[in-house]
Amino acid sequence: QKEVEQNSGPLSVPEGAIASLNCTYSDRGSQSFFWYRQYSGKSPELIMSIYSNGDKEDGRFTAQLNKASQYVSLLIRDSQPSDSATYLCAGLDNYGQNFVFGPGTRLSVLP
Amino acid sequence: GAVVSQHPSRVICKSGTSVKIECRSLDFQATTMFWYRQFPKQSLMLMATSNEGSKATYEQGVEKDKFLINHASLTLSTLTVTSAHPEDSSFYICSAIPINNSYEQYFGPGTRLTVT
Repeated sequence: QKEVEQNSGPLSVPEGAIASLNCTYSDRGSQSFFWYRQYSGKSPELIMSIYSNGDKEDGRFTAQLNKASQYVSLLIRDSQPSDSATYLCAGLDNYGQNFVFGPGTRLSVLP
Repeated sequence: GAVVSQHPSRVICKSGTSVKIECRSLDFQATTMFWYRQFPKQSLMLMATSNEGSKATYEQGVEKDKFLINHASLTLSTLTVTSAHPEDSSFYICSAIPINNSYEQYFGPGTRLTVT
């Protein structure tokens, strides 16, 4: 069964620090990966997508993909209390048909 | 861009009744929409994949006769929870993939269903 795994947390970081969120996946055929942020009681919001090995930066967010290690991460620089949420990692298979979401990591940024 | 709406945002119904939830892509066309369910403090659970003009594909364990999905146009998919029971109370979320972007899912705001 194809799986995406994340540490459920909570991950607590002080305001201004770098938050590092990690995700591993079992389907070596997965080519596309996504990070979503979900506030309590709300639906997920797309933050980043990454398709190639390496880093992709967007503002305070950097996604990193290592297909050899089947590992995806999200770094949040200068973390703010408003970043406190659950972060969902998702992978899409090579056929573009099957999305698999991880269980999410709860991030708490302490003022 | 890439806005998805859901209606209603919140609904309370009596046990045994049916509830219809609409999911619309407002500024793009979507051949594929997804329906998810999320219980409190749990992760997203995919219920079904809805393709415009064809039958939905349901995940294992999801009753297709209970959760009716219709994807009648490139901007609208509906989920009908038939003969709802209290255990169907949950947060139902749809998502859509734009036609010109095969990979990124955009989520609606969700519908909170409470069955009494």
